Amino acid sequence: QSVLTQPPSVSAAPGQKVTISCSGSNSDIGNNYVSWYQQLPGTAPKLLIYETNKRPSGIPDRFSGSKSGTSATLGITGLQIGDEADYYCGTWDTSLNLGLFGGGTKLTVL
Amino acid sequence: QPQLQESGPRLVKPSETLSLTCSVSGGSISSNTYYWGWIRQPPGKGLEWIGSFYYTGSTYYNPSLKTRVSISVDMSKNQFFLKVNSVTAADTAVYYCARHWATTQEFDFWGQGTLVTVSS
Repeated sequence: QSVLTQPPSVSAAPGQKVTISCSGSNSDIGNNYVSWYQQLPGTAPKLLIYETNKRPSGIPDRFSGSKSGTSATLGITGLQIGDEADYYCGTWDTSLNLGLFGGGTKLTVL
Repeated sequence: QPQLQESGPRLVKPSETLSLTCSVSGGSISSNTYYWGWIRQPPGKGLEWIGSFYYTGSTYYNPSLKTRVSISVDMSKNQFFLKVNSVTAADTAVYYCARHWATTQEFDFWGQGTLVTVSS
């Protein structure tokens, strides 16, 4: 069972918006940056969001990240079929010096 | 941009040791900007951080695996290694090596991953 809690699945129609939540605690999300990863079937995870709300070069602005307290959220607007993937949140527990990932959320674009 | 490549046996027998190598090109593992880590993903399941090292020699491990895992480094070859002792079927997974920032901790570059199966 993951320390960071994500919904197992979310779905929405093409062109719509979806949000994926990631819930943690004060020792992890509450006091550290959050990152988000997209994993397409059969491929390695790809960094989507870093430092909670920043996008690496090449990631469209349809993807956004935010945080409030001990929860973080990934937002995706203008959904496309190609966005169907598993999404993982990640952070670091600085008190224990360990890496943490959420259990993953499968996005279905109907 | 760095490239990371995992290598090692794809099949390991129960109770034996799983050994993997991550070869890094296009970036130095002796940089003070990054940690270098291992993550695994059992078939159909989520990501699990295994452990990471920093160029100073510090290593950090997932408490759930700490007694069976070790990460070592060969700076001269720009490689780092993972060993998992006393493996069981539960250690069957795709194993990834990845780079993460020392200050903000995101994993920005990943290897393609290698599936290791534990079976007799």
